[in-house]
Amino acid sequence: KQEVTQIPAALSVPEGENLVLNCSFTDSAIYNLQWFRQDPGKGLTSLLLIQSSQREQTSGRLNASLDKSSGRSTLYIAASQPGDSATYLCAVHRGNAGNMLTFGGGTRLMVKP
Amino acid sequence: GAGVSQSPSNKVTEKGKDVELRCDPISGHTALYWYRQSLGQGLEFLIYFQGNSAPDKSGLPSDRFSAERTGGSVSTLTIQRTQQEDSAVYLCASSRSGGGTEAFFGQGTRLTVV
Repeated sequence: KQEVTQIPAALSVPEGENLVLNCSFTDSAIYNLQWFRQDPGKGLTSLLLIQSSQREQTSGRLNASLDKSSGRSTLYIAASQPGDSATYLCAVHRGNAGNMLTFGGGTRLMVKP
Repeated sequence: GAGVSQSPSNKVTEKGKDVELRCDPISGHTALYWYRQSLGQGLEFLIYFQGNSAPDKSGLPSDRFSAERTGGSVSTLTIQRTQQEDSAVYLCASSRSGGGTEAFFGQGTRLTVV
C-alpha cells in the first residue's frame, strides 16, 4: 500500500525566507507526483506536476524535485510572501494504490509579514 | 468549462436523508475522481472513473455511497441515509486521461449532516 508522508506538519517563517517542504512515499512505482496548495475552505490548486521520468519542475518562485528511487520529493519556495500562507499537499499517482492519487497529510505554512 | 465545477457549494441535510452532489469536469477530461476531506483529516479517495472502463470503487466507505458518471462527463455522488460522520468536504477532480496527467480539483461541496 502506498503511503505518503509530509514533514513538517506545520511551518512558520518570516517573510522573505527560502523554505523547503518535504514529501516521502513508500512505493517508488509511480506515474507522477503532484504538488497542490489548499487555502482554508477552498479546493486544491495544482502547483506543479513531475512525471516519474523527470527530476524537477519549476514555476516562478516554486521548484519541485523528485528522487523516485529514494521515494522523496521537495518543494522549494523562494523569497516567501504572506500570500504563500496555505496548506501544501503532495500526491503520488499509481504505485500499488491503483488509479487514485494518494495524498500526504500536508504542511501548513504560515509566512509572517 | 474553464475548471471543475461542483454543486452545491454547501449542503445541510438532516440525518437519514439522501443527498446528491454534482461534479462537472473540465471538458474533454476522461478521468474523474471523488475525494472526501473530513475536518482536520487528509484526503480520502472514494471513487475513480476513466473513460468507459468500470469505475474503481475501492474507496467507497459503505454501500450507502454510490456514484455514476453519465455520458463520460458529469458525475453524481449519492449518499443514502446520511449519518453525522458523513459530514465533510467532498472534492471532485478531473484529468485529461488517467495516470500521468495533471489532476485539477473543484472547490468542493461542504456537507453538514445535522
